Amino acid sequence: GALVYQYPRRTICKSGTSMRMECQAVGFQATSVAWYRQSPQKTFELIALSTVNSAIKYEQNFTQEKFPISHPNLSFSSMTVLNAYLEDRGLYLCGAWTGGAEQFFGPGTRLTVL
Amino acid sequence: GQQVQQSPASLVLQEGENAELQCNFSSTATRLQWFYQRPGGSLVSLLSNPSGTKHTGRLTSTTVTKERRGSLHISSSQITDSGTYLCAMEAYGNEKITFGAGTKLTIKP
Repeated sequence: GALVYQYPRRTICKSGTSMRMECQAVGFQATSVAWYRQSPQKTFELIALSTVNSAIKYEQNFTQEKFPISHPNLSFSSMTVLNAYLEDRGLYLCGAWTGGAEQFFGPGTRLTVL
Repeated sequence: GQQVQQSPASLVLQEGENAELQCNFSSTATRLQWFYQRPGGSLVSLLSNPSGTKHTGRLTSTTVTKERRGSLHISSSQITDSGTYLCAMEAYGNEKITFGAGTKLTIKP
């Protein structure tokens, strides 16, 4: 079956430092990957959409300078939260899919910023 | 932009009662998905429904695309059904998924 893994599941970083998180698709080709964030007491909001061999599209309020994303092949993507501050804390979710098929989601990476 | 409104925001029921969760969306949807969010945050995909009605176990998802609404029916609710249910919409021509704010369901014994 189609599975999406995320690593790490939980992480803590000091304010002003950076944190890299990974997303692995198993059992299907992740031609597209989306990264979402759920801030405390809020719903998920899309950070960016990445399609292999295409430019990564960032949503308003999110930038490549702050959340650089790598999507080097059909099974892996990573995102870094650069210079993390308190407002960056939350659950970061990776969704992956092939073409027009349904998105599969990983379990998320929970980021705590001290 | 795309918007997804869920109602009610919270729902409290007695065990055994049926739950009806609503989802309204602002754009034409190609797919409506329902998720259960575990206390730790991870999502459990419940049903994915472009249109019409779909069943799995005690869950029934109904999507009326033309009216831009969907619903999740949980029959004979159990205490373990308690939690947050999220509706997510994928708009036509756009792979972006937009999540609703969720319905917090509490089932009492």
